[in-house]
Amino acid sequence: AQSVAQPEDQVNVAEGNPLTVKCTYSVSGNPYLFWYVQYPNRGLQFLLKYITGDNLVKGSYGFEAEFNKSQTSFHLKKPSALVSDSALYFCAVRDEPGNTGKLIFGQGTTLQVKP
Amino acid sequence: NAGVTQTPKFRVLKTGQSMTLLCAQDMNHEYMYWYRQDPGMGLRLIHYSVGEGTTAKGEVPDGYNVSRLKKQNFLLGLESAAPSQTSVYFCASSYSRAGAGQPQHFGDGTRLSIL
Repeated sequence: AQSVAQPEDQVNVAEGNPLTVKCTYSVSGNPYLFWYVQYPNRGLQFLLKYITGDNLVKGSYGFEAEFNKSQTSFHLKKPSALVSDSALYFCAVRDEPGNTGKLIFGQGTTLQVKP
Repeated sequence: NAGVTQTPKFRVLKTGQSMTLLCAQDMNHEYMYWYRQDPGMGLRLIHYSVGEGTTAKGEVPDGYNVSRLKKQNFLLGLESAAPSQTSVYFCASSYSRAGAGQPQHFGDGTRLSIL
């Protein structure tokens, strides 16, 4: 069965420092991986995805993610954090089998960026 | 372009009451989903639909029913509300070309409290 894990409930970084939010996955077949962000009292917003190709994927708001097949990881990164990046971040993997578009989400990681 | 719209935004029910949550999307998406979000548990899929007139069970379907009579609308019903159904409910939609890794687009949620 497909699954994702986000090992950290919360990540704290200082503004201007690089940030990493971790995600590991377990899939049968090729992984389709996604990152979403959720701001308070809002729905999830799509940040980026990995389907195939370059292991470094660039997305919205300056975020990028690195796909590592040997470590089965898909960590979200940003070179310089902003206070406005503070939010809840979800990693997700496409569910298999079947052509349903279903996603399986991790439990989420709260990112706190302090001035 | 409104995207995914959920109504109502907030609701308080008494145990045993019934209600229907409405989701409407204007992106001509084939796939639609209902999730519930609870603290520390990420998003859990309740029901989904791969097209007009079709519905299927997700991870936590008990106590809920759905209907997709029109392509743009996906209704979630609670026949007899229970306190355990207190949650934030999110609707999402996506294109059917799941092989291309289409992201899901989310509404801003319905906050439901069952007393």
